[in-house]
Amino acid sequence: GESVGLHLPTLSVQEGDNSIINCAYSNSASDYFIWYKQESGKGPQFIIDIRSNMDKRQGQRVTVLLNKTVKHLSLQIAATQPGDSAVYFCAEIRNTDKLIFGTGTRLQVFP
Amino acid sequence: GAVVSQHPSRVICKSGTSVKIECRSLDFQATTMFWYRQFPKQSLMLMATSNEGSKATYEQGVEKDKFLINHASLTLSTLTVTSAHPEDSSFYICSASRGGEKLFFGSGTQLSVL
Repeated sequence: GESVGLHLPTLSVQEGDNSIINCAYSNSASDYFIWYKQESGKGPQFIIDIRSNMDKRQGQRVTVLLNKTVKHLSLQIAATQPGDSAVYFCAEIRNTDKLIFGTGTRLQVFP
Repeated sequence: GAVVSQHPSRVICKSGTSVKIECRSLDFQATTMFWYRQFPKQSLMLMATSNEGSKATYEQGVEKDKFLINHASLTLSTLTVTSAHPEDSSFYICSASRGGEKLFFGSGTQLSVL
């Protein structure tokens, strides 16, 4: 079936380094993607979004890249900080408000 | 910014009892609300879509008689887990839409059924 998935379940990075979290999607009709951050025991927190007519979007310390050719999405976090430690989900919205979440990647930041 | 309030944040109940979880949009009217369930170390799974003034739409495999959803106003949706059992123990999260694609999430409710 169609799904949104992640390559790496856990990513460990050193504080100050850049982090790259990847996501693969299978539905070529998906036109809107969102990255969420979820800390333990809390709801998802919006990080950044991108539409299918774009291939890059930048926020504060974060960049999302979209490659529609290979159906790949990535989240880049610059100068990773301990506060960035969390689980990150990519999600897609397809013509409605219904979100489909990927499996998640845990980001661990060590000093 | 828009805020979604979810209550309670944590609930422990005995097997066989029912539990109600509330989801409120505090500064906007939510035409649509969504309920998700999340098991430990897993992703969020959509349970149902709640539309104000109409019946909820349930995802495949979700029992509508067990997970009762009421969206009586544009600012409140409730999820009632009826006759809860230990396997219903999970983290339940709501989200709300005020139209458009951006969703706002509640802080979640951790349900533990003994």
